[in-house]
This record gives sequence, C-alpha cells and structure tokens, in this order.
Amino acid sequence: EDKVVQSPLSLVVHEGDTVTLNCSYEVTNFRSLLWYKQEKKAPTFLFMLTSSGIEKKSGRLSSILDKKELFSILNITATQTGDSAIYLCAVEARSNFGNEKLTFGTGTRLTIIP
Amino acid sequence: EPEVTQTPSHQVTQMGQEVILRCVPISNHLYFYWYRQILGQKVEFLVSFYNNEISEKSEIFDDQFSVERPDGSNFTLKIRSTKLEDSAMYFCASRGPGPLGRTIYFGEGSWLTVV
Repeated sequence: EDKVVQSPLSLVVHEGDTVTLNCSYEVTNFRSLLWYKQEKKAPTFLFMLTSSGIEKKSGRLSSILDKKELFSILNITATQTGDSAIYLCAVEARSNFGNEKLTFGTGTRLTIIP
Repeated sequence: EPEVTQTPSHQVTQMGQEVILRCVPISNHLYFYWYRQILGQKVEFLVSFYNNEISEKSEIFDDQFSVERPDGSNFTLKIRSTKLEDSAMYFCASRGPGPLGRTIYFGEGSWLTVV
C-alpha cells in the first residue's frame, strides 16, 4: 500500500520566520510528488516535482525532491499570516492497472502568528 | 485561470437518500477524479474516470457509488443510499492530456452532511 507521511503535523511560528515542511513516501511506480495548500476548501496546486535535486520556486515558496531518499521538503521564507493553511503532500503513482492516482499525506497545519 | 467547478457547495441529506454531486471539469481535460475528505482526516482517492469509463476505484468506492459523464461537460458522483459515514467533503479533480497535463486541479468541494 502506498504511504505518504508528513511532518510535523502542526507548526506555529511568528510572522517573518522560515519554515520547512517534510514529506516522505513509499510508493510503487512513482510518477510525481505534488504540494497543495488547503485553506478553507479545495487544495490549491503549488508544485509538481518529478526529478531529484531540481528546486522549484514560486515567490517565497520553494520545494525539492530526493528520489533516492524518498522525500521532499517545502520551504516558506519570510512567512506571512496569509501562509496559514494546511499544506498537503501527495504522490502520484501508477497502479498495477496502469492508472495514476494521488495518495495524500495527512497534511501539516501551519499557523503564522502576527 | 480555468477551474473545476462543483455543485452543490453544501448538501444536507437524510440517511438512505440518494445524492448526486456535480462537477464541471476544466474543458480540455480528459482524466477525472473524485476524492473525499472526512473532517479531520486525509484526502482519500475514490475513483478515476477516463474515456467514458472507470479506470480505477478504491475500496471505499463500493456498489453504493457510481460516476457518470452524461454529456460533454458534467461529471457526476452518485451515492445511492447515503450512510452517516458518507459525511465528508467530496472533491472533484481533473487533469489534462499528455505529459504536460500531469497537474491535477481540484474543485472547491461539495460538503455532504448525512443526518
């Protein structure tokens, strides 16, 4: 069974701090790893990672994948209150039937204190 | 930016009743999914749909569930006889064709409460 484990489960920091969120996985037939931000409802897409060691960056957010050690990190620098959300890591894998589906971690609940 | 739209945003139904959750995926997308998230728990895969048929389903997706693409735009999830444990947020998602379309986009969700 595919597994995705995120840590920490919850994180509270002050505005301006830098945070690192972790995601480790065990899946068969890995295709990609995705990070989503979930505020009130829908997970909104942040990054898709397919190759090891290549950092993806969007503003204050960045992410990198290590396919050898089977983990990814999501960094947020100079955090703002608007970054408060649940950050979901999901791994896309190809099943035995040749189809692709996402397996999600439980998420990291990030709270930014003004 | 194109988006996946879902209706209703919230539905309350009595146990045993049938519900239909509707989704309009992004227009050129070919792969469609339903996921659900029980309050406080992780997002779980239910079913994937491609080329007008189910391509994969999870153990959760039992005979009470069905999906349909009745026309060129809508993608529906039907729960035939709802149970209390079906209360959850149901997310529709879609993905485009080819290797460049691998990103999966989610709708805002339909919150189902079974009483």
